[in-house]
Formats: sequence, C-alpha cells, structure tokens
Amino acid sequence: DTAVSQTPKYLVTQMGNDKSIKCEQNLGHDTMYWYKQDSKKFLKIMFSYNNKELIINETVPNRFSPKSPDKAHLNLHINSLELGDSAVYFCASSQGDRGQETQYFGPGTRLLVL
Amino acid sequence: GENVEQHPSTLSVQEGDSAVIKCTYSDSASNYFPWYKQELGKRPQLIIDIRSNVGEKKDQRIAVTLNKTAKHFSLHITETQPEDSAVYFCAASITGGKLIFGQGTELSVKP
Repeated sequence: DTAVSQTPKYLVTQMGNDKSIKCEQNLGHDTMYWYKQDSKKFLKIMFSYNNKELIINETVPNRFSPKSPDKAHLNLHINSLELGDSAVYFCASSQGDRGQETQYFGPGTRLLVL
Repeated sequence: GENVEQHPSTLSVQEGDSAVIKCTYSDSASNYFPWYKQELGKRPQLIIDIRSNVGEKKDQRIAVTLNKTAKHFSLHITETQPEDSAVYFCAASITGGKLIFGQGTELSVKP
C-alpha cells in the first residue's frame, strides 16, 4: 500500500537543527496536506496545496515551510527545531480541495526532538 | 471558531456488543462528515463517510447517522470484534476546504 508515502518514518534530532520530511502520492490527486498529531492524538491541519498552490496555511510558526515541486509531492521543512515540535506528522492527499473528498493518509513521520 | 466535539474519549465494550461514538459540529455550512479509524502506530484510514443530503448510511457492521438540524452525527458499530479496537476520529468539512477532526475515541473491545 504505497498510495501516499512519506520519508523518513522516524526522525530523532537535536533542538535547533533543521530537518525535512518528504511526501509523495501516486493517486493522481490534486490536493495534498500536512497534519500534525500530538501526544494526545489530536489531528490538526497545518497546510494544504492544490496543484502546487498553497490553499490552507493554518497558524503555524514560520519555522515550518512547505514546498510542492509538483502536484504529486509535498515536502515539509522545519527550521530551528524545538521540543514542542515532537509529534507524528501525516501527509494526506485528496482529489479536490473543497474538504469534501476522501483524504488518504501517509504512514506518518514520527519526529522526536531532544 | 470551527469546532468538532467528540464523545466519549474512551469506550470499552465486550465483544459482540454495540459501540456508539457521537460528534457535534459548529459550522452550519459543513456538508461532509467522514469517520477514520487509526490503529496503534498506523495511519488514519477512512471507514465510512456521509454527506449532508442523507440521514443515514450503512456498511456491514458500521453505520453513521446525521442530524443536520442538531448538528450532530454518530458512528454505530454492531457486533464488535477485538480487531475493532482502535482510535476513531470523526471530522467535518468547513468553509475553506478544511476538515476539522474531533478529539478521537479510543475503543477497546474485550474478548
């Protein structure tokens, strides 16, 4: 099941470092998302892109910068990592951008900042 | 702001019993309501969804009901099995193309 894939699966790093997470979907979808799932399992949207254009940009520190080189890829770069950034980050994709289409999630990237 | 409240946060049932999880939403423009199941260490996966033009939808042992007037919707699982144990999330679409998720319900089915 590689419809939505993410790398790396695990990421352990020191405070202050910069890291990137990559996401790819082979479903032909137009819209991709990044979600953050905290230790209490709460799923919160961070960003969404439709056909490489930023659609949703929630109140996220500007240390987080998404990049979509094409509609099949959405990467997340995080600068100056902080302890509070520790979470599971999920990429997802859907056919449309109205929020009314099934979103397919990637396997998640478990980020631990020490 | 936009909000989805989900209850209960934990639910323990005996195998074979039914389980019901309830959600309420605040945006009256919401018209798409998916339910996701997340097993431990895995990704959330869609199990059923409902749109605002229907009041109920069934898929084998799973059903979802929607009351648009009251702004609430529920997930019903009948004849629960141990493999139903997971965290279940409801969600509602809101203006701007977002899905807002509930806080999750950890369902435990005891054999």
